[in-house]
Amino acid sequence: DAGITQSPRHKVTETGTPVTLRCHQTENHRYMYWYRQDPGHGLRLIHYSYGVKDTDKGEVSDGYSVSRSKTEDFLLTLESATSSQTSVYFCAIKSGTGGLNSYNEQFFGPGTRLTVL
Amino acid sequence: GESVGLHLPTLSVQEGDNSIINCAYSNSASDYFIWYKQESGKGPQFIIDIRSNMDKRQGQRVTVLLNKTVKHLSLQIAATQPGDSAVYFCAENPPNYGGSQGNLIFGKGTKLSVKP
Repeated sequence: DAGITQSPRHKVTETGTPVTLRCHQTENHRYMYWYRQDPGHGLRLIHYSYGVKDTDKGEVSDGYSVSRSKTEDFLLTLESATSSQTSVYFCAIKSGTGGLNSYNEQFFGPGTRLTVL
Repeated sequence: GESVGLHLPTLSVQEGDNSIINCAYSNSASDYFIWYKQESGKGPQFIIDIRSNMDKRQGQRVTVLLNKTVKHLSLQIAATQPGDSAVYFCAENPPNYGGSQGNLIFGKGTKLSVKP
């Protein structure tokens, strides 16, 4: 499982409330990713990080922010949750030490199921 | 989770038969591809990968074929078992996608159902 944990695993919240999801890894990987998974769509990239304090937007970043203050933790925050953000959220890491476009597979955490009422 | 399997193409096979799952990828410049397996309620699990300078790669009971001419990937599973029942999806790594950080584009997936 590449030493990836996500918390919480399940959460129900109300529209307009802030929510923070945590991804924790134990193997000192440089690259970390947040995805959402919805029926009818493939996994879609929200934000990613290529080092401490280095983050960038993905395909569906609106309404989300991230922070990475230390290598092992990558936080995803919904500042004001909306029903369209009901989804399953996956964190991933890219293995290996390669740089740009290195051929390294991504490994995923167990996911967080978020429901926004 | 369970909702991932809704609205997906489904392949139903008999236990012991071989399975072939197909994927059409989008970017002719993609140079790296991965197949993932996702069981209900779990995160995607890496199965096998292939680089664009290859057209075939074999693993344990699995083979991936790459046809760059038609932008097509396939995953072959030999002697399919009930434990192979899951959603399978491919991912491609286009160069310079999302800041060139090895970001992947994922397909929607195929649900494999194995009948005992």
